[in-house]
Amino acid sequence: DIQMTQSPSSLSASVGDRVTITCQASQDISNYLNWYQQTPGKAPKLLIYDASNLDIGVPSRFSGSGSGTDFAFTISSLQPEDIATYYCQQYDDLPLTFGGGTKVEIK
Amino acid sequence: EVQLVESGGGLIQPGRSLRLSCVASGFNFDDYAMHWVRQAPGKGLEWVSGISWNSGGIGYADSVKGRFTISRDNAKNSLYLQMNSLRAEDTALYYCAQGAVHNSNWYNWFDPWGQGTLVTVSS
Repeated sequence: DIQMTQSPSSLSASVGDRVTITCQASQDISNYLNWYQQTPGKAPKLLIYDASNLDIGVPSRFSGSGSGTDFAFTISSLQPEDIATYYCQQYDDLPLTFGGGTKVEIK
Repeated sequence: EVQLVESGGGLIQPGRSLRLSCVASGFNFDDYAMHWVRQAPGKGLEWVSGISWNSGGIGYADSVKGRFTISRDNAKNSLYLQMNSLRAEDTALYYCAQGAVHNSNWYNWFDPWGQGTLVTVSS
């Protein structure tokens, strides 16, 4: 199985800060990497697919990059509504696997 | 608007069986793969199982292989998860999620998701 290691597990930042989350795959997954946002009490929502493509309607302050084994997710200017847990997910091979999540809080 | 409505969750004793359902609307159900993803209380996301648009492709997490069976009825716009030999560690919120359209690899991302149905395995 492909292991996805996400870091940090939590972070606290101020409104307007640039926030970056990393995700490392245990083997080369090309760009088969997605990012999700889960706000408290809600179902997850797809933000980025294929490592760097924003889903429809996702604000441009969100971005993704990387390929192979190392990926990054960035919020260019943190907003109060971005308080959530973020997950990466690979689809290079079954079983599909998620990272452990990064909880983002406002300082 | 795409809607996915899960049902069938509840409190169940270890070793017993439960069948989850997900009714879809707002899209051509038989054009899309479908998945089950679960989330234990206070924990992260775990893919459970997925099925291609025509049931020709099926996959399971190692943790449920041999105990859970995914199926779909395209005539009823419905996805199912038959869960046998339930364990305490199967306690979770089970989400139904739309997967890939049938002109691509059958598994890629999950979008959108239902609101989930809670399964609690306890004596």
